Amino acid sequence: SAVISQKPSRDICQRGTSLTIQCQVDSQVTMMFWYRQQPGQSLTLIATANQGSEATYESGFVIDKFPISRPNLTFSTLTVSNMSPEDSSIYLCSVGQGNRDTQYFGPGTRLTVL
Amino acid sequence: AQSVAQPEDQVNVAEGNPLTVKCTYSVSGNPYLFWYVQYPNRGLQFLLKYITGDNLVKGSYGFEAEFNKSQTSFHLKKPSALVSDSALYFCAVSRRGQAAGNKLTFGGGTRVLVKP
Repeated sequence: SAVISQKPSRDICQRGTSLTIQCQVDSQVTMMFWYRQQPGQSLTLIATANQGSEATYESGFVIDKFPISRPNLTFSTLTVSNMSPEDSSIYLCSVGQGNRDTQYFGPGTRLTVL
Repeated sequence: AQSVAQPEDQVNVAEGNPLTVKCTYSVSGNPYLFWYVQYPNRGLQFLLKYITGDNLVKGSYGFEAEFNKSQTSFHLKKPSALVSDSALYFCAVSRRGQAAGNKLTFGGGTRVLVKP
């Protein structure tokens, strides 16, 4: 399976600021996704990161709040903009090669907004 | 729309006893089903998946799961639980043939506590 790293692993941020989270994979992958895991809850898909084009967002998530970049097949960033305490969550990227393929997850970024 | 239900928030089991974590799903068409485990302060680790074929799927760390189409279930099992199996377990589903790839929908998670 691919080796996935995320930076930062954790951060504490002030309300109103923005944080960019990086996801790096050690091999080219077809699909990259971003998920949010709010405290004590399950994972919710934020968006599919598309290489060279705009990300595809799920219902309830918008580009202005969660801009995503994917410049190539091994790297993606998620920005959490204008943060509020409700954005405190673990943000995870995941990768997969196709519809039948297993999706593998990065270690996550634990974000706390004060 | 697709959904996953894990009816138990927590499962307690004594070490050495069988462990079962329940999962039922709802999806249009045929599903792909997955189990993941999350240890404290770590990401999700893949355990096993059902894509097609044999309904009994064997995965990592001695875990297995049985796909039951009539009951729309995919329960996770381990014959003899270890204390180290204590973790948070997630069931997930994606719909076969999704054009956008395997977008996963997760259940709410089940915390497993294995007592010595």
